[in-house]
Amino acid sequence: QITLKESGPTLVKPTQTLTLTCTFSGFSLSTSGVGVGWIRQPPGKALEWLALIYWDDDKRYSPSLKTRLTITKDTSKNQVVLTMTNMDPVDTGTYYCARSAPVRGTPGGYMDVWGKGTTVTVSS
Amino acid sequence: EIVLAQSPGTLSLSPGERATLSCRASQSVSSSFLAWYQQKPGQAPRLLIYGASSRATGIPDRFSGSGSGTDFTLTISRLEPEDFAVYYCQHYGGSPPRIFTFGPGTKVDIK
Repeated sequence: QITLKESGPTLVKPTQTLTLTCTFSGFSLSTSGVGVGWIRQPPGKALEWLALIYWDDDKRYSPSLKTRLTITKDTSKNQVVLTMTNMDPVDTGTYYCARSAPVRGTPGGYMDVWGKGTTVTVSS
Repeated sequence: EIVLAQSPGTLSLSPGERATLSCRASQSVSSSFLAWYQQKPGQAPRLLIYGASSRATGIPDRFSGSGSGTDFTLTISRLEPEDFAVYYCQHYGGSPPRIFTFGPGTKVDIK
């Protein structure tokens, strides 16, 4: 069974750096084609893809947020960490991590399993 | 950069009716990399369709996807009470640039 779980602070102050951890089980981030990504959702709004790290350590970021994001992986711990700098109240929302499924050893291009999400509020 | 537009923004239907949701890409995309998700209030999104027309594991056959090029459709043949939710399409830009894009969503609510 594949599971992912997000963890991190529920409240951060403006200008601070947010660090979120995705801990997963049931698959390996060493497997060809696999990725783990982050997606967020402001209250009442649409999903926004943030970043994704692939099995080969290739890292991809949303063009609009790339200067603020860093994604890393610890394969031995089955964890992926996302940092977002210079947090602002508009960054308030639910942050999800999800697996990008492999298809015959290459990225399948879809998120097949999601964590339940973690809520982050940015406020002084 | 690919932009996805979804229409309508809200679809008001009754149980048993057919729902047709549209996703339009700003330029032609590979159907291999077009997916649909369902999200209910307070829940994480759930994968419904990948590769434009393949149902994910456990998804009922009343859900179907179709389309190619710039125009894609998610059809729910007969709405069940649990199908009232928000639906998102998503595109993946194959290598490179290997990035994901979500559409703004269509809400299907009870008429």
